[in-house]
Amino acid sequence: AQSVAQPEDQVNVAEGNPLTVKCTYSVSGNPYLFWYVQYPNRGLQFLLKYITGDNLVKGSYGFEAEFNKSQTSFHLKKPSALVSDSALYFCAVRDGGSQGNLIFGKGTKLSVKP
Amino acid sequence: EPEVTQTPSHQVTQMGQEVILHCVPISNHLYFYWYRQILGQKVEFLVSFYNNEISEKSEIFDDQFSVERPDGSNFTLKIRSTKLEDSAMYFCASSEARTVNSPLHFGNGTRLTVT
Repeated sequence: AQSVAQPEDQVNVAEGNPLTVKCTYSVSGNPYLFWYVQYPNRGLQFLLKYITGDNLVKGSYGFEAEFNKSQTSFHLKKPSALVSDSALYFCAVRDGGSQGNLIFGKGTKLSVKP
Repeated sequence: EPEVTQTPSHQVTQMGQEVILHCVPISNHLYFYWYRQILGQKVEFLVSFYNNEISEKSEIFDDQFSVERPDGSNFTLKIRSTKLEDSAMYFCASSEARTVNSPLHFGNGTRLTVT
C-alpha cells in the first residue's frame, strides 16, 4: 500500500535561515509526489510535484523539493525562510493504481520566527 | 487564478440531521473529489467523481454519504444522517485530468460541526 510519512510534527526556523520539511514515502511502483501548504482557515494549496525527470523540483513561493529514490524521500526546502511561510505543510503521494486519489501525510507545522 | 469555491464555510447541525455541502469546481475541470480532515488528523480521501458517476470511494464513504452534480457547475456532498464523528473539515477538489501530472486544486473547506 502507498503511504507517506512526515516524521516531524513541527519545525521551527528563524527568518532568513534555510528550512527543510521532511517526507518519506512508500510506493509499489513509480512515485508521484506532491507538496501542499495549508494556511489557517484556508484550503490546501499546491506547491510542487515530482513525476519524473530532475530530482530537484522547483515550485511556488521559492520552495523546492529534492527527490531521493535511494532514501525514498521528498524533502521540501527553501533557502531563506519568511515569517509568511508559517503554515501547515502536507506531503502527498498519488496512488497510481486508483483514479488519482492523493494519500496525505499527517502534516508538519512550520513556524518561522522573526 | 480560478478557484474551487465551497459553501458554507461553517455548518452546524444536530446529530441525525441531513447536511449538504456545496462546491463549485474550476470550470474546465473534469474530475472532482471530496476529502475530509478531522481536527488534528490526516487529510483523508472520501470519493472521486467523473462523468456523472463515482470513480472511486474509500471505506469512509459509506451508505450515509452521497455525491451529486445537479447541474453543470455544482458538486455536492450529502450526509444523510449525521453522526458526531462526522465533525470535520470537508474539502472539495477538482483536477483538469486524471493523469498524475494534473494536480488537485482544493477549496477552502467547510467546517462541519455535529452536536
